[in-house]
Amino acid sequence: GAGVSQTPSNKVTEKGKYVELRCDPISGHTALYWYRQSLGQGPEFLIYFQGTGAADDSGLPNDRFFAVRPEGSVSTLKIQRTERGDSAVYLCASSAYLAPYEQYFGPGTRLTVT
Amino acid sequence: GQQVMQIPQYQHVQEGEDFTTYCNSSTTLSNIQWYKQRPGGHPVFLIQLVKSGEVKKQKRLTFQFGEAKKNSSLHITATQTTDVGTYFCAGPGGGSEKLVFGKGTKLTVNP
Repeated sequence: GAGVSQTPSNKVTEKGKYVELRCDPISGHTALYWYRQSLGQGPEFLIYFQGTGAADDSGLPNDRFFAVRPEGSVSTLKIQRTERGDSAVYLCASSAYLAPYEQYFGPGTRLTVT
Repeated sequence: GQQVMQIPQYQHVQEGEDFTTYCNSSTTLSNIQWYKQRPGGHPVFLIQLVKSGEVKKQKRLTFQFGEAKKNSSLHITATQTTDVGTYFCAGPGGGSEKLVFGKGTKLTVNP
């Protein structure tokens, strides 16, 4: 079946601009996670949704970052007033209710802030 | 906060040699996961360990969870070029289903 998909695959934006990154999880997966990965590092947790609600947003670095999942499926990560330090690969993952730690990752969106 | 550390950071081996990566957590874990990320790819789930002292095998890969549930290891026997990639361990972050990942061990294999 289809895996986790993310769009766009690459995004280049200017400092100060607003960006939206989209994630389409595996059908039927109730949990959705956003991670950020910098070069040479492991994925860093940002936010976790169980259904439509954000169950844990403790990883969001500041209030410029926001994510939604209005219908419990597709999620959008929104970054306002982008900074060069936001440049990274943004990974989305989903998991089934009974196996929360077996997370299936999408290909990621590479964000470059110039 | 919780930290997950992995050593070594890099490992270069000749094809056919064995490889081991070690993972240590600052806190006791209820379970631990291992993921593999190929160059240019995304992390792919390999296995979950739950029980103290648990050992699981997947063909040439052997995973072990420590008795104190604070450390784990991944051992690959007779590496192949298809084993190239970065291997991450990850543990629950506490309070939710988020994962805390180590920095990974990057394995390169010389044919």
